[in-house]
Amino acid sequence: SSELTQDPAVSVALGHTIRITCQGDSLRTYYANWYHQRPGQAPLLVIHGKNNRPSGIPDRFSGSYSGNTASLTITGAQADDEGDYYCHSRDRTGNHLVFGPGTKVTV
Amino acid sequence: QVQLQQWGAGLLKPSETLSLTCAVNTGSFSHYSWTWIRQPPGKGLEWIGDVNHRGSATYNPSLESRVAISVDSSKRQFSLKVNSVTAADTAMYYCASAPVNSSSWHLDYWGQGMLVTVSS
Repeated sequence: SSELTQDPAVSVALGHTIRITCQGDSLRTYYANWYHQRPGQAPLLVIHGKNNRPSGIPDRFSGSYSGNTASLTITGAQADDEGDYYCHSRDRTGNHLVFGPGTKVTV
Repeated sequence: QVQLQQWGAGLLKPSETLSLTCAVNTGSFSHYSWTWIRQPPGKGLEWIGDVNHRGSATYNPSLESRVAISVDSSKRQFSLKVNSVTAADTAMYYCASAPVNSSSWHLDYWGQGMLVTVSS
């Protein structure tokens, strides 16, 4: 089983807000990163660290933390936001990286 | 901006060795840790391991006994080898970069991916 857990699937109406969560003990210590993967494409970094957006990522994407949970919020979801979202962080030992199992988002 | 280009054999027989290489075409080679990730068909992402520009590597404990990641700074390339492959190693393999000054070890640039199939 993964050290990071995510809901398998979430759906949202066009223009509405969606929150995707990632839970794990290591998130009490380490930041998470979030990637968006469309079918047939490589993952794309959308949020990293505390709440940082790479150049070119719309500001409707934001990150937050509470306890052992990291969250990715998409405000005003667009059809282009469909796909799989993966969280990524350190494991409990801090020595290795791990991915969450992914959340499939349907808009 | 970092551009990554990867290549290697796409079809292997069980027990053979998987070998992939990723070239860093642009960007600073020493400012990143170089990472391999894989994704079996229809499944999620799995971190395989990473290496810094000095050649110090870290591996996923579940793969450590069969994996080696190396770097050739003079050629601006890093490589992945997985020995004794089985059908379970069939996956899309990605190379990626992680800035060494990142507090979260985020993977900011990814290669195009390489599908490796293991079949007799």
